[in-house]
Order: sequence, then C-alpha cells, then structure tokens
Amino acid sequence: GAGVSQSPRYKVAKRGQDVALRCDPISGHVSLFWYQQALGQGPEFLTYFQNEAQLDKSGLPSDRFFAERPEGSVSTLKIQRTQQEDSAVYLCASSTGQQETQYFGPGTRLLVL
Amino acid sequence: AQKITQTQPGMFVQEKEAVTLDCTYDTSDPSYGLFWYKQPSSGEMIFLIYQGSYDQQNATEGRYSLNFQKARKSANLVISASQLGDSAMYFCAMREERMGAQKLVFGQGTRLTINP
Repeated sequence: GAGVSQSPRYKVAKRGQDVALRCDPISGHVSLFWYQQALGQGPEFLTYFQNEAQLDKSGLPSDRFFAERPEGSVSTLKIQRTQQEDSAVYLCASSTGQQETQYFGPGTRLLVL
Repeated sequence: AQKITQTQPGMFVQEKEAVTLDCTYDTSDPSYGLFWYKQPSSGEMIFLIYQGSYDQQNATEGRYSLNFQKARKSANLVISASQLGDSAMYFCAMREERMGAQKLVFGQGTRLTINP
C-alpha cells in the first residue's frame, strides 16, 4: 500500500515568508507526528496528533509554528515569518495507534534564505 | 541529558562482513521501546527493528538483530552479511512509554559505508 507522502519535497522561502507543509499519512493511521531534522542531526519531535486532536505540541520551537489535522487524516505544518534557523528537513510519521511503530514520509526540505 | 548516544559518527565495513552499530540510552522509565531506523541519501526514515523493555529475547528481523543489554542500557544493531545497499545513516531511537508518551527521541546517527 501507499506510504506516508509529503509535499512539497523541497521549498525555498525568503526570510519572513509563511510556509505550509503537507502530510498524507498511511490510510487508517490514527496517530500522526511531525519531526524536524537539522543538517547532520537526528530528528527532533515537534508535535503529535491522535485523530484530529493535538495531544502533544511540546516540541514546537516557537509560536511561529502551528500544526493542524482538522479531519483526522491530512495534516499541515505551518511556519509563519520564517527565519534562517528554520531551515531543516521536516519529517512526518504515522502509526496505527498508541505505542505502535511510526512510519516516516520522505520529508520536506525547507531552505530559508 | 542526552537520552540516546551513538558514539560512532562513521563506520566503514567490507561487503559481506557483519557490522555492529552502538547505541546506549538513558531513562528512568521502566517501560520503553527502542527502535532502529535507516536513512538513505533519499531522506526517508526506514523502520528496521523494535525492542521492548520487557522483551525477554533479542529482536531479529532478517539480517538485522538487536543486541539488547538492559543492565548496561545498550541496544546495539547488528547487521549480518552486509550489502552495498546498507550504506546509509542509521539512527537509534527511544520511546518512553510512561503516561502514554508517544514521541521518539533520536540519537545523532552513525553513517555506515559498505565497501565493495
């Protein structure tokens, strides 16, 4: 079956622009996660949804970062007024439920100039 | 405090040899899960293997096995009969399951290069 898909795969933004990153989880997966991976580092947790409920947003680095999953399937990560330090790969993962294995998408590589 | 430590930034191995990638972890949670993921240059994180803290036996998945030493808090990945396609970044990750926590905490990764 289809895996997790993310779009766009690459995004170049000018400092101060708003960006929106999309994640389509595996069909039927109720849990969805966003991670940020800086160059040469391991991924770092941003936020977690169970269906449409955002149950953990402890990893969001500032109030410029906002995530939503209004219908419990597709999720969007929005970054307002992008800064150069936001340049990273943004990974989305989904799982069938709590305490299950997370399966990752290919990521969106964001470059802020 | 670093929860996951991968001390090998890079490893070089001859094709067909076995390789061990090190991972140590730190947690006070009695219930946790340990994961290994592979990240090729394409960027996607590929799940390899899982070990639960209460599992009595070491996990195995094909050519991958996890050498779980609970008292030493280590969870090393062993790849048998390495192949050129195994060249990638490898990440160890932990999920602390107390109070239903879901997030994965990753190490810094090890870049594995398989030489022909």
